[in-house]
Amino acid sequence: EDQVTQSPEALRLQEGESSSLNCSYTVSGLRGLFWYRQDPGKGPEFLFTLYSAGEEKEKERLKATLTKKESFLHITAPKPEDSATYLCAVRGSSNTGKLIFGQGTTLQVKP
Amino acid sequence: EAQVTQNPRYLITVTGKKLTVTCSQNMNHEYMSWYRQDPGLGLRQIYYSMNVEVTDKGDVPEGYKVSRKEKRNFPLILESPSPNQTSLYFCASSLDYSYEQYFGPGTRLTVT
Repeated sequence: EDQVTQSPEALRLQEGESSSLNCSYTVSGLRGLFWYRQDPGKGPEFLFTLYSAGEEKEKERLKATLTKKESFLHITAPKPEDSATYLCAVRGSSNTGKLIFGQGTTLQVKP
Repeated sequence: EAQVTQNPRYLITVTGKKLTVTCSQNMNHEYMSWYRQDPGLGLRQIYYSMNVEVTDKGDVPEGYKVSRKEKRNFPLILESPSPNQTSLYFCASSLDYSYEQYFGPGTRLTVT
C-alpha cells in the first residue's frame, strides 16, 4: 500500500535559522513526488514536482531533493512569510490517478 | 484568471438532506479530483476523474457520488449526509493525471 509520512509534525524556527522537512514514502513505482504549501483556510499551492532519485529543484529559499525512500524540503534563511503547512504527496504506478498525501509539517518562523 | 472555483464556500446542513458541492475549472484540464481534509488525517482523496465520463474511487469514496458530464465541471454529491462527513473539502484539477494539481479555495461543510 502506498504511504507517505512527514516529519516533524510542527517546526518552530527563528528568522534566518535554516532547517529541513522530511517526507518518507513507500510506493510501487514512483510516478511523481509533489510538494505543496498550504496557508490557513486556503487550498494547497503547488511548489515542486520530483520524479527520480537525485533530482533537485529550487525556488527562492526552498530546495527540494529526492532519494529512493524520502524527500527533503530545505528552507534556507526562512522569513516569517514562509510560515505555512507544507504537504508532500506521491503518485505511484499501481494507480496513476491516485495522489497520496502526508499529514503535513506546520512551520512557524518567528521574527 | 486561471482558477478552480467551488460553491458554496460554507454550508451547514442536517443529516439526510441531499446536497451538491460544485467545482468548475477554466483551464481546460482533463483531470479533476475531490479531497477532504480533517485534523490529524491530512488530505484524503474521495474521487477523481481522468476525463469526461471517466471517474474512479479514491481512498474514501463511501457516502459520496460524482459525475463528469463536461470537462470543466466536477460536482460532488452527498445523497444522505451524515455528521462524519463534516469536513473541509477541496476540488483540484490538472492538465492530466501526471501534472501538478491546482486546488480550489475549499468548502467547509458541517452536518448536524
